[in-house]
Amino acid sequence: DIQMTQSPSSLSASVGDRVTITCQTSQDIGNYLSWYQQKPGKAPKLLMYDASNLETGVPSRFSGRGSGTDFTFTISSLQPEDIATYYCQQYDNLLTFGGGTKVELK
Amino acid sequence: QLQLQESGPGLVKPSQTLSLTCTVSGGSISDATYYWSWIRQHPGKGLEWLGYIYYNGYISYNPSLKSRVSVSIDTSQNQFSLKVSSVTAADTAVYYCATYNYATGSFHYWGQGTLVTVSS
Repeated sequence: DIQMTQSPSSLSASVGDRVTITCQTSQDIGNYLSWYQQKPGKAPKLLMYDASNLETGVPSRFSGRGSGTDFTFTISSLQPEDIATYYCQQYDNLLTFGGGTKVELK
Repeated sequence: QLQLQESGPGLVKPSQTLSLTCTVSGGSISDATYYWSWIRQHPGKGLEWLGYIYYNGYISYNPSLKSRVSVSIDTSQNQFSLKVSSVTAADTAVYYCATYNYATGSFHYWGQGTLVTVSS
């Protein structure tokens, strides 16, 4: 099984801050990584796939990079509507999700 | 735009079988683009993929639950279903149906989710 380690588990930031989340996998997954946003009481929403490809309609302040075992997800300028929990997901070998990062407003 | 809606009992007794159905609208479940998937989320916890089924009947399961999970598809009703057998309190979760796109490796469309509680 591929283990996913997402960090931090939570963070507080101010509107306009740059926010970075990392996702580390236990083995090389190439770029087979997606990122999701989940707001309370809602289903997750796909933001990015193939580590850095933005899903249609997702604002450009969201970005991703990485390959192999180390990945980062960045919000360049945090907006109030970005308050949510973010998950990474690998699809190299079966399908597994990271533990999530809760982003809160400072 | 595809829409998915989960339905089924919100309360299941321990040792019984949890059964949920996902109804697809706005598109055909025979669409070769998608694998029809089930994902669950324990209260306050992360996401766990349970399994998916393709329109031609191909199935893949999460090995950690494979012995208790089964998925099926009914193309005539545009629905797919999940069964989890021998449930315990640890199966209490919000269950989501979703579309998995093999080309992107991602879940694009999601149902709203349904909470299933296992309790006597």
